[in-house]
Amino acid sequence: ELKVEQNPLFLSMQEGKNYTIYCNYSTTSDRLYWYRQDPGKSLESLFVLLSNGAVKQEGRLMASLDTKARLSTLHITAAVHDLSATYFCAVDMSYGGATNKLIFGTGTLLAVQP
Amino acid sequence: DAGITQSPRHKVTETGTPVTLRCHQTENHRYMYWYRQDPGHGLRLIHYSYGVKDTDKGEVSDGYSVSRSKTEDFLLTLESATSSQTSVYFCAISESWRERNQPQHFGDGTRLSIL
Repeated sequence: ELKVEQNPLFLSMQEGKNYTIYCNYSTTSDRLYWYRQDPGKSLESLFVLLSNGAVKQEGRLMASLDTKARLSTLHITAAVHDLSATYFCAVDMSYGGATNKLIFGTGTLLAVQP
Repeated sequence: DAGITQSPRHKVTETGTPVTLRCHQTENHRYMYWYRQDPGHGLRLIHYSYGVKDTDKGEVSDGYSVSRSKTEDFLLTLESATSSQTSVYFCAISESWRERNQPQHFGDGTRLSIL
C-alpha cells in the first residue's frame, strides 16, 4: 500500500528566509505532483515531476524528485507573505499505468510572517 | 482555469438521507475523480472514472456510489448519509492516457455537512 508522508505539517517562517518541505513515499512511482491550496479554495497545480533527478522551478519555489530515495522536496527561497498556503504532494499509485490515481500527503501549512 | 463545475457548493442534510453531488466538465477529458478532504488526511480518492459507464473504487469508497452516463458529468451519491461523511468533496479531471503526465485539475469543492 502506497503511503505518502509530508513534513513538517506546519511551518511558520519569516519573510526572506529559505526552507524546504519534504515528501516521502513508500513504494515505487514514476510521477509526483505538487499542489497549492489557499484557505477555502481549490487546489492549484504547481509542478509535475516525472523522472529521477527532475527539477522544476517557478519563481521562489523549486521542486525536485529522487525516485531512488522515494523523496521529493519543495524548496522555498526568500519567502514572501503571498506564499502562505497549504502545500500538498501527491504520488501516482498506478506505476506505469494510465489511470493517474493519486495518493496525497497530509499537507504542509505554510505561514510566512513579516 | 479548467472548466469544472461542482454543484451544490454547500449542502446541509440529515443522517440517513440520500445525497447526490454533481461534477460537470467542459474539457472533454476522459478521466474524472471524486476526493474527500478532511483535516489531517489530505485528500483521499473515493471513486474515479476512465470513461462513460467505466468506474472503479478508490481508497475510501465504502458508503459511496458513482455514475457516469455522459463524458461531461460524474455523479457521487451517498445512499444514506452518515455524520462521518461530513467533509469537503472535490472533483478532478485529467486527460487521456497519452496525456497522463499532465496534472489533475480540481473543481471548487462542495462543503457537505451531515447532522
